[in-house]
Amino acid sequence: NAGVTQTPKFQVLKTGQSMTLQCAQDMNHEYMSWYRQDPGMGLRLIHYSVGAGITDQGEVPNGYNVSRSTTEDFPLRLLSAAPSQTSVYFCASSYNRGSYEQYFGPGTRLTVT
Amino acid sequence: AQSVTQPDIHITVSEGASLELRCNYSYGATPYLFWYVQSPGQGLQLLLKYFSGDTLVQGIKGFEAEFKRSQSSFNLRKPSVHWSDAAEYFCAVGLQGAQKLVFGQGTRLTINP
Repeated sequence: NAGVTQTPKFQVLKTGQSMTLQCAQDMNHEYMSWYRQDPGMGLRLIHYSVGAGITDQGEVPNGYNVSRSTTEDFPLRLLSAAPSQTSVYFCASSYNRGSYEQYFGPGTRLTVT
Repeated sequence: AQSVTQPDIHITVSEGASLELRCNYSYGATPYLFWYVQSPGQGLQLLLKYFSGDTLVQGIKGFEAEFKRSQSSFNLRKPSVHWSDAAEYFCAVGLQGAQKLVFGQGTRLTINP
């Protein structure tokens, strides 16, 4: 199993540009989530999904969109990038709603200039 | 609101010395508790977890943690650290029924040779 994979590893955007961060898992996990990591703030939940076709907002959802058309994929879209979205983004998955033990991808480092 | 506090931003210990990383949480009920480790440039890896039962839990890499309900704490310990333990450590709380993890700010561990 590849586990949780994320692409790209690094990305530089200009303010106002849009892009999609890709996340995929091959463990047949129902639950997937996106976090952003900023210095001194730990990880903060952006959006999550409890299954295909079901998504919900986390702690810091503004400026981000998600969709979950398949069990495997959970892309994160930045609609109009802002410097405040400079961060490291992690995708995570877990077996189901009750398991809580999350498996993390390697992260995407995004810089918005 | 639920919160997780890791009071120490950065800790330095000598190789072979014992280690204790502190974690306190604020939550109305007993939450699910986790410790994750993040090596430089990597995603997060689960070290150990507490759901219920024995308040002293063993994890991977020789780590253990003790849940103390009276102190709302879940401190991570290791009797003798190795240079490879240098990393950032995150305490997290799983909110029952909410399928979300709330992370602390993280503690960066440096090991002196």
